[in-house]
Amino acid sequence: DAGITQSPRHKVTETGTPVTLRCHQTENHRYMYWYRQDPGHGLRLIHYSYGVKDTDKGEVSDGYSVSRSKTEDFLLTLESATSSQTSVYFCAIKEASTGELFFGEGSRLTVL
Amino acid sequence: GNSVTQMEGPVTLSEEAFLTINCTYTATGYPSLFWYVQYPGEGLQLLLKATKADDKGSNKGFEATYRKETTSFHLEKGSVQVSDSAVYFCALSPRDGANNLFFGTGTRLTVIP
Repeated sequence: DAGITQSPRHKVTETGTPVTLRCHQTENHRYMYWYRQDPGHGLRLIHYSYGVKDTDKGEVSDGYSVSRSKTEDFLLTLESATSSQTSVYFCAIKEASTGELFFGEGSRLTVL
Repeated sequence: GNSVTQMEGPVTLSEEAFLTINCTYTATGYPSLFWYVQYPGEGLQLLLKATKADDKGSNKGFEATYRKETTSFHLEKGSVQVSDSAVYFCALSPRDGANNLFFGTGTRLTVIP
């Protein structure tokens, strides 16, 4: 258990509304990631962070923003949700010495 | 660049059958390689890993050998069980810095009694 908590675990929202997903870790890891999982695509990186206030884009970053104001929290925001953002979102932290990722339990988002 | 190509699936096997899920990769440098497993309704969990060429990762009866000459990391198990039904992901990590972990598309395994 790498001490990763995602919230909310499930959310249903309407097109055009803002949504924020939270990832919280308790073990002071430097690197944090947000992925989305969709059938036929595996996991695709949205954004990642390599320290407080240090973030960068992944391969599917359009329509998403992130913030990391403190080590333990990494927020993913959909400014104006669209149906194409219906997905399961996973947060992960990276164990720097091995490259291994530890994942949260996922947040299922449905945009109607 | 870095990428992972994984056997598509789905794969359906009878209990006690032999399992192979193929995984090949392209990478710059010398990545670490991983197999992750996702059980229904859960997040991904590390199944096994190998950090250098010729290493064999093993866990729960699953094995995979890091083959640099064939750029492969195939997952095998000699006798699958119903409880092994899950989605399996091959992944590589360039290891240095904050680089992304690159995932294959996943292979769904169903084991029938």
